[in-house]
Amino acid sequence: AQSVTQLDSQVPVFEEAPVELRCNYSSSVSVYLFWYVQYPNQGLQLLLKYLSGSTLVESINGFEAEFNKSQTSFHLRKPSVHISDTAEYFCAVSENQAGTALIFGKGTTLSVSS
Amino acid sequence: GAVVSQHPSWVICKSGTSVKIECRSLDFQATTMFWYRQFPKQSLMLMATSNEGSKATYEQGVEKDKFLINHASLTLSTLTVTSAHPEDSSFYICSAKSEFYGYTFGSGTRLTVV
Repeated sequence: AQSVTQLDSQVPVFEEAPVELRCNYSSSVSVYLFWYVQYPNQGLQLLLKYLSGSTLVESINGFEAEFNKSQTSFHLRKPSVHISDTAEYFCAVSENQAGTALIFGKGTTLSVSS
Repeated sequence: GAVVSQHPSWVICKSGTSVKIECRSLDFQATTMFWYRQFPKQSLMLMATSNEGSKATYEQGVEKDKFLINHASLTLSTLTVTSAHPEDSSFYICSAKSEFYGYTFGSGTRLTVV
């Protein structure tokens, strides 16, 4: 079975600073990897995903994540954050098989202040 | 893009009553539906996986008699919390999976049992 570890429960940063949210996974088979963002009292929004191909994936709002198979990591980065990026971020993994569920990490609270 | 309509978005019920939560995939057919539960400030925990026309597969520790899942069609899945108690209060989120769109999440249901 697969699992996801998000090493940081809370990450406070100042506006316009760079940020990295760490995610490591464990699986005995090939996986798909995802980052979701959740704003208070709302559902999940897909930020980006890695299915295959290029190991660097980008979102439309400046986030990027790199799949590193040797380190079993999928860290999320943004070179310059905004106040509006304040939210809960979840890393998730699914096995590369039909019908398997997403398994989520415990989440990282990103708090951006001015 | 794919949309999953989940309702109600919030519900308050009395202890001992039952509550039904619906998830519909709009404009696409979901081969598999997943139900998650999220406690405040915590991650999403997979409760069960259901495929259309077959019984749901529940995760360890989830009471199947308490959380009834019906997946009657490729576009509709329901979760019924039977004889609800205050400890069942939580945020419930469904996810529909399709080959074309991957995982699509509903907006969640906030259940409060008083």
